[in-house]
Amino acid sequence: KNQVEQSPQSLIILEGKNCTLQCNYTVSPFSNLRWYKQDTGRGPVSLTIMTFSENTKSNGRYTATLDADTKQSSLHITASQLSDSASYICVVSKTYGGSQGNLIFGKGTKLSVKP
Amino acid sequence: GAGVSQSPSNKVTEKGKDVELRCDPISGHTALYWYRQSLGQGLEFLIYFQGNSAPDKSGLPSDRFSAERTGGSVSTLTIQRTQQEDSAVYLCASSLDGGRSSYEQYFGPGTRLTVT
Repeated sequence: KNQVEQSPQSLIILEGKNCTLQCNYTVSPFSNLRWYKQDTGRGPVSLTIMTFSENTKSNGRYTATLDADTKQSSLHITASQLSDSASYICVVSKTYGGSQGNLIFGKGTKLSVKP
Repeated sequence: GAGVSQSPSNKVTEKGKDVELRCDPISGHTALYWYRQSLGQGLEFLIYFQGNSAPDKSGLPSDRFSAERTGGSVSTLTIQRTQQEDSAVYLCASSLDGGRSSYEQYFGPGTRLTVT
């Protein structure tokens, strides 16, 4: 069964600290993996997209890693800010091209950054 | 430029009533998607449009749900005879071309539907 599991479900950290969010997937065949940030009451916004051959991709203070062998990805947030408080969603695309119904979404990790 | 817009932002309706949710995609985006996000759950795919046709409507949960897209632009998601389990946030997204999964999907702010 194609699944995307994220951990932890929720996380509270102090402003300025680093954190790492995890994503494990069993989606096959694999095309790409995205991390989205979703602020409360808003639609998700893409942070990174990684294909099979990419191990690391950065976007400012966000760094995503991908291990296609173990089917694991992580999102590392450096020097957290209050504005990082949001849900972070891992999304795996099942195929290259074809039906877009093949996006498999994780349930997200809810991050709260406290002052 | 303008992003994806959705209306209404909030909708409260009585059980059994019909509702229409609207999505205006980014101009020039040929692909349009509808998703549902229930409390504590991940996004659930509903339907995908390429132009005005829907090559994948496999996610529609029942025949009470339907969607159409006209002029390759605006899309409407209709839920007939609403039930309480239909309460969720309905998100719309668009991308340049649905033929490649590497194209980024841009999401609208969603419509929060509450069925009482």
